[in-house]
Order: sequence, then structure tokens, then C-alpha cells
Amino acid sequence: EDQVTQSPEALRLQEGESSSLNCSYTVSGLRGLFWYRQDPGKGPEFLFTLYSAGEEKEKERLKATLTKKESFLHITAPKPEDSATYLCAVRETSYDKVIFGPGTSLSVIP
Amino acid sequence: NAGVTQTPKFQVLKTGQSMTLQCAQDMNHNSMYWYRQDPGMGLRLIYYSASEGTTDKGEVPNGYNVSRLNKREFSLRLESAAPSQTSVYFCASKIVGNTEAFFGQGTRLTVV
Repeated sequence: EDQVTQSPEALRLQEGESSSLNCSYTVSGLRGLFWYRQDPGKGPEFLFTLYSAGEEKEKERLKATLTKKESFLHITAPKPEDSATYLCAVRETSYDKVIFGPGTSLSVIP
Repeated sequence: NAGVTQTPKFQVLKTGQSMTLQCAQDMNHNSMYWYRQDPGMGLRLIYYSASEGTTDKGEVPNGYNVSRLNKREFSLRLESAAPSQTSVYFCASKIVGNTEAFFGQGTRLTVV
């Protein structure tokens, strides 16, 4: 069965302390992998799309990478405004189906 | 520029009652989705529709039905609500392919 897992479940960082979030997936035919950010009480907001192993995307303090089995979201020198839940999603071959992982809740402490 | 609009924003139902959650998008997207979000569970796909006239089951379809009324609208119906369906429901839409999905603000549903 297709599955997306994320680790850690929660992460608490000091401002400026870099770290990485992990997304692992088992799908029959990966067509794309997405990262989203979700703030409390709001819908997810798009960050990145990755298509193939070895690809990297960057946006401000965030950098996403993709291998054949997993993706990492690297956060460099985070600020308190980076606090949010980060969600990973994969697009499968069948009819544009997109499933999400459980998310990582990130807290950045000043 | 409305994007994805969900109604209602909040709803309380009694066990056994029925209701329909409405979703409309004004971006001319082909694909539309219904997800539910529970604490610690992320977003779980209930149903999706890759085009007008087609719908497919997601990860947790039991207890729900959907209608893709036209290209703009995708509704989710609970025929006989149960406390286990207490959740936040999100509708999303996107262009077919590896494209960004746009989400509504969510409907917070409580079944008592």
C-alpha cells in the first residue's frame, strides 16, 4: 500500500540552529513529491515540487532534496517565523492522486 | 480573487444527521480533492476528482460520498454522521500534473 511517513513528529530548535526534516515514501509509481507549510488554523501552502532523484530546490532558508526513497527539507539558520507544520506529499501515477504524510511540527525558539 | 472557497466554516451535527460540505474554485482547475485532518494524522485523502464527471476513492472514503457537479464545484456528503467523522475538512484544487495545489480555509466539523 502506498505510504508517506515523516520524521521527526515534532522538532524544537533554537533560532539559528540548522536541522533537517525527513519524508520517506513507498508508492508504486512516483510522479512528483511536494512540500507544503501549514500554519495553525489555515490550509497548507505550497513550497516545492521535486520530480526526480538528485533534484534540489531552494527558497530562502529552506532547501528540499530528493532521493529514490526519501526527501529532506533542510532548514538553515531558522527564525521564529519558520515555526509551522511541514507536510510532505506524493503524486502517484493514477489519475493525479496526491497523498500526504503526517507532518513535522517545527518550533523555532528565539 | 477567491481561489478555493469552502462552506460552511464551522458545523456541529448530531449523530445520524446528514450534511453536505461545499467547495468551489475559480481557477479553472481540473483536479479537486477532499481531505480530512486529525491531530497527528496529517491530511488523509477522502475522495478526489481528476476531471469533471470522474471521482475516485482515496485513503479513507467510508462514510462519505462526493459529487463533481461541474468543473468549479466538488461537494462532500455525510449521509449519517458519526462522532469518528469529527475533523477539519479541506478542499483543494490544482491543474493536472506536478503542480501546486491550492487549499480552502477548511471546515471544522463536530459530530456529537
